[in-house]
This record gives sequence, structure tokens and C-alpha cells, in this order.
Amino acid sequence: GENVEQHPSTLSVQEGDSAVIKCTYSDSASNYFPWYKQELGKRPQLIIDIRSNVGEKKDQRIAVTLNKTAKHFSLHITETQPEDSAVYFCAARLSYGGSQGNLIFGKGTKLSVKP
Amino acid sequence: DAGVIQSPRHEVTEMGQEVTLRCKPISGHDYLFWYRQTMMRGLELLIYFNNNVPIDDSGMPEDRFSAKMPNASFSTLKIQPSEPRDSAVYFCASRSQGSYGYTFGSGTRLTVV
Repeated sequence: GENVEQHPSTLSVQEGDSAVIKCTYSDSASNYFPWYKQELGKRPQLIIDIRSNVGEKKDQRIAVTLNKTAKHFSLHITETQPEDSAVYFCAARLSYGGSQGNLIFGKGTKLSVKP
Repeated sequence: DAGVIQSPRHEVTEMGQEVTLRCKPISGHDYLFWYRQTMMRGLELLIYFNNNVPIDDSGMPEDRFSAKMPNASFSTLKIQPSEPRDSAVYFCASRSQGSYGYTFGSGTRLTVV
């Protein structure tokens, strides 16, 4: 079945630096890739997503890139701020089988932004 | 819209007791998911429903776990009897047929002592 791997599991950066989190997926027909941010003690919340017909999407300081050939996608956060500290989850939408349409989540990356 | 509503927010119970977690999905959402989150395993899908029907419960760890969705606006996840290793945060999420993204509830932090 679909498998989503996420790296790194932890990431520490200095405030103002950039952070990059990478995910790979196995289902070549997956067509939707969201990113969720989970602050400590809170729910995962969708922050950005990308569909397979585009290669990049930006929203202020965050961007997501998709390489369909290599089956990987990445989250880029520029000018990081302490409030960016959270656990980030990537996901890929399953395109086949009885669970078609469901999201398969990566294990998460704990990002720490040091002031 | 109030979003996905879960109750209780926190639950502390003694080993062997029955625990019931509750979820109200967003009105109009056809799919409801139950997840368990731990440090070791991340987000694990336990079971999901489509139009109130359980579709895949292969993630339910043991027979001690059961879930129901008697109508479109309510679901329960029950653990009987509870064990310390069930301690985790349990999230409910929902989505509609025509959308791709999930909306998560605030979660229930379960502690079994």
C-alpha cells in the first residue's frame, strides 16, 4: 500500500533561517499532498497543500514543491520565527483501493526555532 | 461552523475501566476518522466511516476497542477494559465527499493509570 516517509524527524534552526522538510511517497497516482502543523497540545491544522498538476505553491513564508517523477515533496519555511515551532505532518492522498481518497500521513517533524 | 467537536478534552481513568470518547463531525461531512497519536507511533488511523458505515477498522489494535456511528452527527470510540498502554491523544477528523483535506477535532488526552 501507500507509504509516506518524512525526514528529518527533528529539526532545529535559528530564528530567521530557513527550514526544509521532505517527504517521499510510493503511490505514483497520488494527486494531493497537504501539510499539517500541530502546535503543542493542539490539533493538526492544514497550512498548505498542493495538487499533482502543479510543481510549486507559495503562501507568504511557506512553500511546497512537488517532484512527481521522483515522488517527493517538500515544505519550505523561510525567515523562521519562534511561532513556527511545532510538529509538521505531510500526507499523500491514496488513489486506489477501498480506502481511495484517504490521506496517508508521515511520522512528523518536530521543528524548533531558537530565538 | 464549530468544527469537529470532541469530548472530553481530558480523561483520566483507572486500568480496567471502560472509556468512551465522543466526536461530532462537521455537518455535511461524509467521512469520519479516528486517530491515535503517540510519540512513538505518530498518527495511527484506527477506523473510518463513510456515511455512518465502518469501512476499514484494520487499525483498531485489539478487540478491546470498538467504534460506532449511529448517525451522521455522532460517533463514539470505546475502550473496554482500558490499559495503561492505551494512554495517548485520540483525534477525530472529518471530510466531505468532494474535498480532499481533513479537519481535526481538538483531541482527547487519555491517561490510564
